[in-house]
Amino acid sequence: ETGVTQSPTHLIKTRGQQVTLRCSSQSGHNTVSWYQQALGQGPQFIFQYYREEENGRGNFPPRFSGLQFPNYSSELNVNALELDDSALYLCASRAGTSDFYTQYFGPGTRLTVL
Amino acid sequence: AQSVTQLGSHVSVSEGALVLLRCNYSSSVPPYLFWYVQYPNQGLQLLLKYTTGATLVKGINGFEAEFKKSETSFHLTKPSAHMSDAAEYFCAVSEDDKIIFGKGTRLHILP
Repeated sequence: ETGVTQSPTHLIKTRGQQVTLRCSSQSGHNTVSWYQQALGQGPQFIFQYYREEENGRGNFPPRFSGLQFPNYSSELNVNALELDDSALYLCASRAGTSDFYTQYFGPGTRLTVL
Repeated sequence: AQSVTQLGSHVSVSEGALVLLRCNYSSSVPPYLFWYVQYPNQGLQLLLKYTTGATLVKGINGFEAEFKKSETSFHLTKPSAHMSDAAEYFCAVSEDDKIIFGKGTRLHILP
């Protein structure tokens, strides 16, 4: 196990609702990234947070937003849910210095939008 | 932008046979390359990585991969497949602060 935890494990929402997913990074890791993995696809980068600031974003609309807290835990918020938002959402953390490019993933949150 | 191509969305091998999963990348700078494994209903587990140095990289569970710059490849191999190796495998490359993944190869192990 990587030490990255995510909650909840599963979630069912209806179209138009809002959802918040949570991630606790591995000890000593100050950078957190979020990825969306649609069924049968590889994960797609949503955004990254470093020291509570967003410092990189993929091709996702503004209704995908996030937060990072002083303890480096993070939240992913999605507003106005659409059916295509149904996916596995993965959180990954990495150290700020050594092993810079290696990201360690949590188990994911499975979101189903009906 | 960097990209990763995994050849074969499904690969089947017999138990005890060689496993070979193919990955090619495109990158304008020296790449950092990764293989991740995903078991059903689980997150991603890092198998191995190449950053610098030795081009043959050994990972967990008996897997290894070789970085070949001239071929822009980073194929994953294992000499003898086990039933427990059945999973989805993702090749990935690091670009700036994010990881770009291939579409994945599902490995099936035949008894």
